[in-house]
Amino acid sequence: DTGVSQDPRHKITKRGQNVTFRCDPISEHNRLYWYRQTLGQGPEFLTYFQNEAQLEKSRLLSDRFSAERPKGSFSTLEIQRTEQGDSAMYLCASSLVVGLAGGPGNEQFFGPGTRLTVL
Amino acid sequence: KQEVTQIPAALSVPEGENLVLNCSFTDSAIYNLQWFRQDPGKGLTSLLLIQSSQREQTSGRLNASLDKSSGRSTLYIAASQPGDSATYLCASKIPNSGYALNFGKGTSLLVTP
Repeated sequence: DTGVSQDPRHKITKRGQNVTFRCDPISEHNRLYWYRQTLGQGPEFLTYFQNEAQLEKSRLLSDRFSAERPKGSFSTLEIQRTEQGDSAMYLCASSLVVGLAGGPGNEQFFGPGTRLTVL
Repeated sequence: KQEVTQIPAALSVPEGENLVLNCSFTDSAIYNLQWFRQDPGKGLTSLLLIQSSQREQTSGRLNASLDKSSGRSTLYIAASQPGDSATYLCASKIPNSGYALNFGKGTSLLVTP
């Protein structure tokens, strides 16, 4: 399967613990996005990477959140000192941007998501 | 900030009906508009992508239209089937945040046999 994959699919943790999620984008895609989705809402943008560079972070991404894409391939999203309000589905998407780095790129493809439950 | 609204929030129809889902957006400077399907507890599956220069796109029983001037898009589903039951999300791509998608809250569709 050459689609976007995410691991783990489900994570249950206790408040105060740290968690890390992984996203593997479609192999030739150079842009990677993280979104968060809570129950009954549409996904909300968190951050995005162009190759290995993290170019923007939304205000939803507090200091407890950090994301990396060390070699421009897979990405990780870490949440430190989890809170119950962090419980959500974390979605990763990728797309291919050709030409200008600031361009819109092509269609975004989403992974299956990681559902986080903080007890 | 781009606001995306989907109406209705929920819809229940008997099998075989044709139906229309509505999506409206406040910023007409969109690059494209995308419709997704999401099954409970799952990720998003892309259904149709309409570029800003296009008026509509079709895939099988699905047809999506885009009217930038009025800030509206519609998703038309012909001859609905129970397997169409899911949440349908529309999202616009605008030139900020690296062209991240800006989503509505979705329409939850139930097609009854």
